[in-house]
Amino acid sequence: AAGVIQSPRHLIKEKRETATLKCYPIPRHDTVYWYQQGPGQDPQFLISFYEKMQSDKGSIPDRFSAQQFSDYHSELNMSSLELGDSALYFCASSLGLAGGETQYFGPGTRLLVL
Amino acid sequence: AQSVAQPEDQVNVAEGNPLTVKCTYSVSGNPYLFWYVQYPNRGLQFLLKYITGDNLVKGSYGFEAEFNKSQTSFHLKKPSALVSDSALYFCAVRDGAGGFKTIFGAGTRLFVKA
Repeated sequence: AAGVIQSPRHLIKEKRETATLKCYPIPRHDTVYWYQQGPGQDPQFLISFYEKMQSDKGSIPDRFSAQQFSDYHSELNMSSLELGDSALYFCASSLGLAGGETQYFGPGTRLLVL
Repeated sequence: AQSVAQPEDQVNVAEGNPLTVKCTYSVSGNPYLFWYVQYPNRGLQFLLKYITGDNLVKGSYGFEAEFNKSQTSFHLKKPSALVSDSALYFCAVRDGAGGFKTIFGAGTRLFVKA
């Protein structure tokens, strides 16, 4: 079965650079979530989209923005990168947005900021 | 505000013995509860969830969890542990009162010794 695809899988950037992470949800899934997981930490919710509209916002820095496109894929744009942005970034997708739906996670993008 | 606690950083069990990974939660509405497992350098894999109905939920790989409303707990259990169950386990909660933010616990590392 098709899973959530994230690209790139690994990314190395310098401080103050920008980065764009991409997420392709499971086919027919209309909801996308972004999470940040620091080393040894639990995933922190950043932002979610349902039917191309932002549905909820968590601890996403103002330097970050995201959107969901007409084909339901999503991109997380990160600007003015800081060392503390080094983390594993997960995208998850689900069908619907009622509260009890299962989120299926991608393999993550490991971002290292030097 | 919703929150979830996993009181144990680490759980050690011998192969073949039963295992329990604890989780307690706090929400203002009805809870939607989830368990995920994470293997090294991998994304989170869904194990099971409680939405409504029977308090005992059965999931993947022989895992089950019991929803206890009075104790606000959702402990993960397995009757007979396998070495391959060794991983990081996350409990997560969504507040049915509104919002689609998923809050994860800090995670519990399970070690199963042969």
